[in-house]
Amino acid sequence: QVQLVQSGAEVKKPGASVKVSCKASGYTFISYYMHWVRQAPGQGLEWMGIINPNGGSTTYAQKFQGRVTMTRDTSTSTVYMELTSLRSDDTAVYYCAREERLWGQGTLVIVSS
Amino acid sequence: DIQMTQSPSSLSASVGDRVTITCQASQDISNYLNWYQQKPGKAPKLLIFGASNLETGVPSRFSGTGSGTDFTFTISSLQPEDIATYYCQQYDNLYTFGPGTKLEIK
Repeated sequence: QVQLVQSGAEVKKPGASVKVSCKASGYTFISYYMHWVRQAPGQGLEWMGIINPNGGSTTYAQKFQGRVTMTRDTSTSTVYMELTSLRSDDTAVYYCAREERLWGQGTLVIVSS
Repeated sequence: DIQMTQSPSSLSASVGDRVTITCQASQDISNYLNWYQQKPGKAPKLLIFGASNLETGVPSRFSGTGSGTDFTFTISSLQPEDIATYYCQQYDNLYTFGPGTKLEIK
């Protein structure tokens, strides 16, 4: 069926990097843009950026420029979001979303010393 | 960057009540506005796109209006399953979410 399955929870130390994956299935991978959105505990939704799986072009929110990289692997229909120089306030659930309508289950990233 | 505000930040209503949430953009976004519902521990769900278009499968008690900078989201008759947090999102220039409105049952 049409779905996005994300990688499991991560615990990282401040200053480290994290790479979250999002595997698509059930549809033509390159036909739909993919967003990354995060949500800190008890907080609202924050848009991080978008990748076009057809070609790999990206646009990032200004807040994350220089710290985030979104990539894709068309051979496995997977998109990735890497966030570097992690801080405690990067603790959040990270979602991938195929345009507005199809969302992954979320990946909890905890940044703690 | 386009900023989005929502009001109220929380509200309590009774089953059957008409509920209205407003969303304001910091500049004209035409009708490039979505409304989402998010229940605890779940991913957001798209309810309304293009300010007023009901997503397939979404009950008709949900509706949206507005254009430019001012938008309204309405639940015509609140049901217990509507308890959630609701977010607006602009997509005229990149993407920005509003801060959310938490809806509770009175």
